[in-house]
Amino acid sequence: GAVVSQHPSRVICKSGTSVKIECRSLDFQATTMFWYRQFPKKSLMLMATSNEGSKATYEQGVEKDKFLINHASLTLSTLTVTSAHPEDSSFYICSAKDRVGTDTQYFGPGTRLTVL
Amino acid sequence: GENVEQHPSTLSVQEGDSAVIKCTYSDSASNYFPWYKQELGKGPQLIIDIRSNVGEKKDQRIAVTLNKTAKHFSLHITETQPEDSAVYFCAASKNPGAGSYQLTFGKGTKLSVIP
Repeated sequence: GAVVSQHPSRVICKSGTSVKIECRSLDFQATTMFWYRQFPKKSLMLMATSNEGSKATYEQGVEKDKFLINHASLTLSTLTVTSAHPEDSSFYICSAKDRVGTDTQYFGPGTRLTVL
Repeated sequence: GENVEQHPSTLSVQEGDSAVIKCTYSDSASNYFPWYKQELGKGPQLIIDIRSNVGEKKDQRIAVTLNKTAKHFSLHITETQPEDSAVYFCAASKNPGAGSYQLTFGKGTKLSVIP
């Protein structure tokens, strides 16, 4: 149980285009999902907290108009990187918290974004 | 906000030996402490967690200890195997009543188990 998937696993895009990353909780309902960014050999940096049916809460320094988050259902959250630039290249990871009320977060396998 | 320090940043052990990774946290309201294992190119995998109402938890070769007074917690891996080689992250969070479920991560420890 407690499986989180991400799609795509890898994506290469041209500078200026937009890329959408999906995060799904496969066997549980998640009222809250989190989006992280990870640079090589670094720790996870929280970008935003995604709550089902409401606006996401962004961490300081994260541009909400550049990283659009939508959490339309209890099993799906999406992150759209708009007008991508090479500096947006990174490993993006989502996590989901079971709605039952525990604080355990389960992570997806990550999405490697490369912007040319 | 919460600050989590993790040591060491790298750790090499011989196969069969034990490995210990230590973390300290700053916010006394934190009450949930998970440990994650991350292999190259993959997402973090929860391996064990502990809540502040217990001092120790064990799952086969993995154990976690928590000292609330000193605000530190440790991961212990016994009888290490080459497949234990990965980056390990500690994290801390607190009840939503006192904040949110957000995790604050340590900087990670790269564990290498030498056959």
